[in-house]
Amino acid sequence: AQSVTQLDSQVPVFEEAPVELRCNYSSSVSVYLFWYVQYPNQGLQLLLKYLSGSTLVESINGFEAEFNKSQTSFHLRKPSVHISDTAEYFCAVIGNTGFQKLVFGTGTRLLVSP
Amino acid sequence: DGGITQSPKYLFRKEGQNVTLSCEQNLNHDAMYWYRQDPGQGLRLIYYSQIVNDFQKGDIAEGYSVSREKKESFPLTVTSAQKNPTAFYLCASSQGANQPQHFGDGTRLSIL
Repeated sequence: AQSVTQLDSQVPVFEEAPVELRCNYSSSVSVYLFWYVQYPNQGLQLLLKYLSGSTLVESINGFEAEFNKSQTSFHLRKPSVHISDTAEYFCAVIGNTGFQKLVFGTGTRLLVSP
Repeated sequence: DGGITQSPKYLFRKEGQNVTLSCEQNLNHDAMYWYRQDPGQGLRLIYYSQIVNDFQKGDIAEGYSVSREKKESFPLTVTSAQKNPTAFYLCASSQGANQPQHFGDGTRLSIL
């Protein structure tokens, strides 16, 4: 079974500042990793994914995450945030063999202020 | 555009009443899922279906039921046995096992 820990329930930051949202996971098997974003009263949107290959993955809106197998982490970063990035961000992990359940962290609320 | 449609967006349940949440996808995905979201608890899996006419219980299936008679449809019934049904319900689908899941916009269920 897998588990995900998002240590920060809320991260306040000023506009144009950098941000890092932390995600650590545990698993006895190899995994795929995902970051999802949720705006108020909406579903989750896939932000980026690590399936294989390069450990640094990027999204179209400037976010990036790096898979670190030794530290079992998949932290999300953005060098300069916008007001519109205010949302809840969920890290998720799934075992990559057979049918396994997607396991979510409890989420981190990013609050960007002017 | 392909996607997942959940309806209604808001739903109210009376005591002793069963209610059904609709989920339809036109992504041609084999697998579909239902999650419950409560504040501060992330998403918890209620039921999932890997293929038509087959479904499995997730982590919190008690008080819920599903059917999968068509590939594109996976309705969820919240029965009167579910004592704390107030939550945000999300439906998702994926092309196959371990692939990224795509989500609908959710249904918010409240008790009258």
